[in-house]
Amino acid sequence: GAVVSQHPSWVICKSGTSVKIECRSLDFQATTMFWYRQFPKQSLMLMATSNEGSKATYEQGVEKDKFLINHASLTLSTLTVTSAHPEDSSFYICSAPSGPPDTQYFGPGTRLTVL
Amino acid sequence: GNSVTQMEGPVTLSEEAFLTINCTYTATGYPSLFWYVQYPGEGLQLLLKATKADDKGSNKGFEATYRKETTSFHLEKGSVQVSDSAVYFCALKRAGNMLTFGGGTRLMVKP
Repeated sequence: GAVVSQHPSWVICKSGTSVKIECRSLDFQATTMFWYRQFPKQSLMLMATSNEGSKATYEQGVEKDKFLINHASLTLSTLTVTSAHPEDSSFYICSAPSGPPDTQYFGPGTRLTVL
Repeated sequence: GNSVTQMEGPVTLSEEAFLTINCTYTATGYPSLFWYVQYPGEGLQLLLKATKADDKGSNKGFEATYRKETTSFHLEKGSVQVSDSAVYFCALKRAGNMLTFGGGTRLMVKP
């Protein structure tokens, strides 16, 4: 099946700094990618839809100025957490649709810890 | 709006036991329904899906039937193995390929 990678797999940063997370489709092109946030022992919450060549679409309640999304190419989307705070600590997961209808491939996730 | 509710875990079973993880949904119309599995340290993987009422999705011994009358999509397996230990997520597809997930259910299978 198709493979989606994320980098880094984990990151620790200081409060107030910015962190960039990459999501890559390794063997297919993705005009759309999705970014999710997963809290400990909780479900995935869709944050935004990343669109190649246009602005991302954010879910209600997600601060677009804080979570900057750039879909730089057909195989790369980045999520930048700006001015990170401890409450931004979470597991961030991306996905991309490919192949048969209703099929999405998920990255392994990035654990962000803000001190 | 759309939502998915699944039973809270953890669910602890002995090997070869019967598994049921309940999932109900609220949605406009008849969305496609999915079960995803997340093994430790790995990304979510599609386990099975059903796209219309009365469809049965199946994979690796797991089954789930799309029941519109009860708005349910319960996951079942007749005989679980230790290797089935993972977190299972029920989900529905909204417009534009977006997924709404349930809270996840951790399954632990003991030898």
